[in-house]
Order: sequence, then C-alpha cells, then structure tokens
Amino acid sequence: EVQLVQSGAEVKKPGESLKISCKSSGYSFSTYWIGWVRQMPGKGLEWMGIIYPGDSDTRYSPSFQGQVTISADKSISTAYLQWSSLKASDTAMYYCARLTAVAGHWYFDLWGRGTLVTVSS
Amino acid sequence: SYELTQPPSVSVSPGQTARITCSADALSKQYAYWYQQKSGQAPVLVIYKATERPSGIPERFSGSSSGTTVTLTISGVQAEDEADYYCQSADNSGTYYVFGTGTKVTVL
Repeated sequence: EVQLVQSGAEVKKPGESLKISCKSSGYSFSTYWIGWVRQMPGKGLEWMGIIYPGDSDTRYSPSFQGQVTISADKSISTAYLQWSSLKASDTAMYYCARLTAVAGHWYFDLWGRGTLVTVSS
Repeated sequence: SYELTQPPSVSVSPGQTARITCSADALSKQYAYWYQQKSGQAPVLVIYKATERPSGIPERFSGSSSGTTVTLTISGVQAEDEADYYCQSADNSGTYYVFGTGTKVTVL
C-alpha cells in the first residue's frame, strides 16, 4: 500500500529539541519530493519546505528558513522535521506529504495523518 | 511571495452547487490545485492539473480557471462534502509553494 506513516504525538517543553518522522512505503521514496506542512490549532495550511530524498536537495519557505531542519534517509525511506529549540508557538499539527512534480505541475498527492506537537511549560 | 485568497465560508443546501474561488495575480501564469480537509483528518487532493480528479474522487468535484481566479465546483452537494477546502499553487520552478486561506463549506 502506498502510504506515509508519521511518528506519534509529542509533548515537549520550551527550549527542548525534537525530531519527527515520516516513513514512506509502496513507492520509490528517492524519486519523489516530500514536503512538510504546518497547521496551527484552528488555522489553515502553511507550507514549510520540501526535500528530494535522492540527493537531499532542500527548499524552505522564507517563513520557516532557519527555524526548522528538513532531512531524509533514503536507506530507510524516511523524512524528518526537526527543531533545535522549541517554542510554544510551534504547537501545531505537522503533516508530511508526497509532492508530484510533472510538466510544470507541483502538487501534494499523498499525505500522512499528521503529528501533533504540543509545546508547553 | 504571494497570497491565495479564498472566501472564509460557503453555505449550501444538499443537492445544490457550491463554488469556491481562489484568487491571485500569479494564477494567470501558474496552476492551482485543490484539497479537502474534513474535521480531524489530513488533507486530500481533489483536483489537480486544473480539472483532473484523482482516483476515488467523485465526479461532482470539478475545477476551472479564468484569468487570476480558479474555482472548485461541487455539483449536487452531499452532507459528506462538509469540510475545509484549500487551493494551492507553486512557482514555475517548484521552489515556492503557497496554500490558500481556506474555505469552510457548510451543508445546511
């Protein structure tokens, strides 16, 4: 089955570090971009960045550049999103999604179920 | 960077037609895509390449484009279509992505 399986919910304190994961199955992980999308409580979708696991080419939204790090390990078909020092404002649901890029079209055709990150003292 | 503007809400009776717009100057040159997000669930792609529907998406969902506005049309709305809908676009090089502000569709 073609799917993205995300790691479980996390509860952290401000200042702590965190790395969440997104494991793919059922397709060639190295040949599709993977994106990360934030959804704060009661709010809309925000694009954070994308990574191409084949060569680790990474592109960030200006809003998230320097705030998070996106990485991937193609040997285990897994992408990651990490923070070095969490803030309460990082509390949100984080989705990974497969990006299909073809003939000038760029869209997210497969989504994980999301990882809820709660940052509270 | 740019924003994609959607109406905050659309209300429609069952069996009627819902139209959700997404506007930005950039859409005259770039493509847009549509996602449905039901309460407590992950988004699902419903329209790509302007008018194409992924496998499993009902025929009542359709997309169109005119100038700087793209439209998602749901014909013969059903109760199960109640959800938030987001448009999304990207620059031509796939370097920058943006989601619309989102539209909540309420089935009366």
